[in-house]
Amino acid sequence: GAGVSQTPSNKVTEKGKYVELRCDPISGHTALYWYRQSLGQGPEFLIYFQGTGAADDSGLPNDRFFAVRPEGSVSTLKIQRTERGDSAVYLCASSRSGGELFFGEGSRLTVL
Amino acid sequence: QQQVKQSPQSLIVQKGGISIINCAYENTAFDYFPWYQQFPGKGPALLIAIRPDVSEKKEGRFTISFNKSAKQFSLHIMDSQPGDSATYFCAASTGAAGNKLTFGGGTRVLVKP
Repeated sequence: GAGVSQTPSNKVTEKGKYVELRCDPISGHTALYWYRQSLGQGPEFLIYFQGTGAADDSGLPNDRFFAVRPEGSVSTLKIQRTERGDSAVYLCASSRSGGELFFGEGSRLTVL
Repeated sequence: QQQVKQSPQSLIVQKGGISIINCAYENTAFDYFPWYQQFPGKGPALLIAIRPDVSEKKEGRFTISFNKSAKQFSLHIMDSQPGDSATYFCAASTGAAGNKLTFGGGTRVLVKP
């Protein structure tokens, strides 16, 4: 596709469950970012990949959050033992190295 | 710690009017200052960006003004149109444009016809 694709667009889960969110970046973009956007707030940085490796994971809130990008393209954000406070829109963005970020439409996570 | 503070939280402007949104930052290492536009249910999209070696940048109806000494920058939307109704975020980062961004809290703009 032409843009960043994120799935699912909506996910409702129960407290304590495990969740995976997928991001398919723009073809050829080597950098991939995950952000979290709570209602009425600006996006907050979570993690940044350059290729397959996490270049900066300083924004991950705790060890329940983990992300991978095994082949340098698609990335998965994994959240263990979800809590109600994890409810937010999780945004993925990609870019050419050092270039403009292009965001996907996000995955809205609701933890009941 | 909120490193980029944005104001106002919301504003209403008449069609044809000027929308002004302000941001202030703390980290003097920031050297890339983009503005993003976000419509409901969509991801943020880059609108315009500036680096601190210039004090102003204009693209169409959108202008960024930058004051390095005051650590402030602002977005001016001239001749505001109903289609400009959206949430606007300022952001800042260090180094290359693709580095991780620190966003402001956002400003919801409503342009009345």
